[in-house]
Amino acid sequence: GQQLNQSPQSMFIQEGEDVSMNCTSSSIFNTWLWYKQDPGEGPVLLIALYKAGELTSNGRLTAQFGTTRKDSFLNISASIPSDVGIYFCAGIIQGAQKLVFGQGTRLTINP
Amino acid sequence: SQTIHQWPATLVQPVGSPLSLECTVEGTSNPNLYWYRQAAGRGLQLLFYSIGIDQISSEVPQNLSASRPQDRQFILSSKKLLLSDSGFYLCALRTGSYEQYFGPGTRLTVT
Repeated sequence: GQQLNQSPQSMFIQEGEDVSMNCTSSSIFNTWLWYKQDPGEGPVLLIALYKAGELTSNGRLTAQFGTTRKDSFLNISASIPSDVGIYFCAGIIQGAQKLVFGQGTRLTINP
Repeated sequence: SQTIHQWPATLVQPVGSPLSLECTVEGTSNPNLYWYRQAAGRGLQLLFYSIGIDQISSEVPQNLSASRPQDRQFILSSKKLLLSDSGFYLCALRTGSYEQYFGPGTRLTVT
């Protein structure tokens, strides 16, 4: 079945640093989604990407839909303590009913 | 905008007891609904999804079942809980786009 490889699995950074994470797949996706999950809460949708090559920002977050349609990237600039959490990527093929999720990137920030 | 309610927020149940988790949504009609389980520190495992009333697809064979008696109600059940059923259960919805939104979750501990 389809799988998403999300990396890195965890990141330990200093406050103020930039963060980069990515998801890759052997399958082509039509939509990429990025979520953030805080402890004890449901994931929250951060950014949705619909076109190959698309670059979309949400505040300090920027995500890109890879040109091959098999990958996506999320960058966080100038990290702050509230960025701590688990970030998930997800992809879906047009017409499908189910998202395919990556395993998540756990972000820890040292003040 | 749509809202997802999950009840209860937390639950502690003994092994062998029955289970009923409820998800209700507001602000949307005829959504796709999903049940996920998340083990501690792990990714999201899709359990069931529904594209309409009484239309349920099971993703993982197990002792859980799901029902959708009304358009905006999705129920996760078990006749006899196992220790391995412990986890964080998330309900999600999808409307016309491919964007999926999650509820606040139910923390289940089986003792």
